[in-house]
Amino acid sequence: QVQLQESGPGLVKPSETLSLTCTVSGGSISSSYWSWLRQPAGKGLEWIGRIYTSESATYNPSLKSRVTMSLDTSKNQLSLKVRSVTAADTAVYYCARDPGMVRGVVTAFDYWGQGTLVTVSS
Amino acid sequence: DIVLTQTPLSLSVTPGQPASISCKSSQSLLHSDGKTYLYWYLQKPGQSPQLLIYEVSSRFSGVPDRFSGSGSGTDFTLKISRVEAEDVGVYYCMQAIHLRTFGQGTTVEIK
Repeated sequence: QVQLQESGPGLVKPSETLSLTCTVSGGSISSSYWSWLRQPAGKGLEWIGRIYTSESATYNPSLKSRVTMSLDTSKNQLSLKVRSVTAADTAVYYCARDPGMVRGVVTAFDYWGQGTLVTVSS
Repeated sequence: DIVLTQTPLSLSVTPGQPASISCKSSQSLLHSDGKTYLYWYLQKPGQSPQLLIYEVSSRFSGVPDRFSGSGSGTDFTLKISRVEAEDVGVYYCMQAIHLRTFGQGTTVEIK
């Protein structure tokens, strides 16, 4: 069973860079696509981006200028960086497996981490 | 951008009664490969979302058969045949034909 665990600082100052890591167990990150999502308190889900290799990431256009996703296959981890954060970036951040087409079936976000709260405040 | 509009935004249901949630897309979710990229998720209180339905109507592993999805093109529906207490939470539809976007969510509570 695939398991995902997000980690990173819970507090980030405005204008600084938010950095999170998602550690995957029970499967290789090289074998699937992965996404980052976020959810402000009491609000809905927002997709941030999707990655297969560090050279093949796709981002939400609304965040594209500030976001970078990457993979570390040696550690089976994916990472997220959001630059120049503001209070509007305060949210629970999730990583999720986003496999797409596998054996003729297309699924998305079939496994999720438990989420990590990041607060942007001075 | 593809916009998904869910109705209603909240639903109060007596246990054992059916429930239905609509999701309308601003564009067709039918891909040239013949598949329709519409998904349903449930976020139970205090938990991460969980996949219920993929490709409009296929139940994900372990999802009870009281959950069913239907629809085509731009109009989709999630039905719960007999709501149970464990079904409370927020239901989201999501499209994956072009990037990914979610509906606003529908909160289901028990009367």
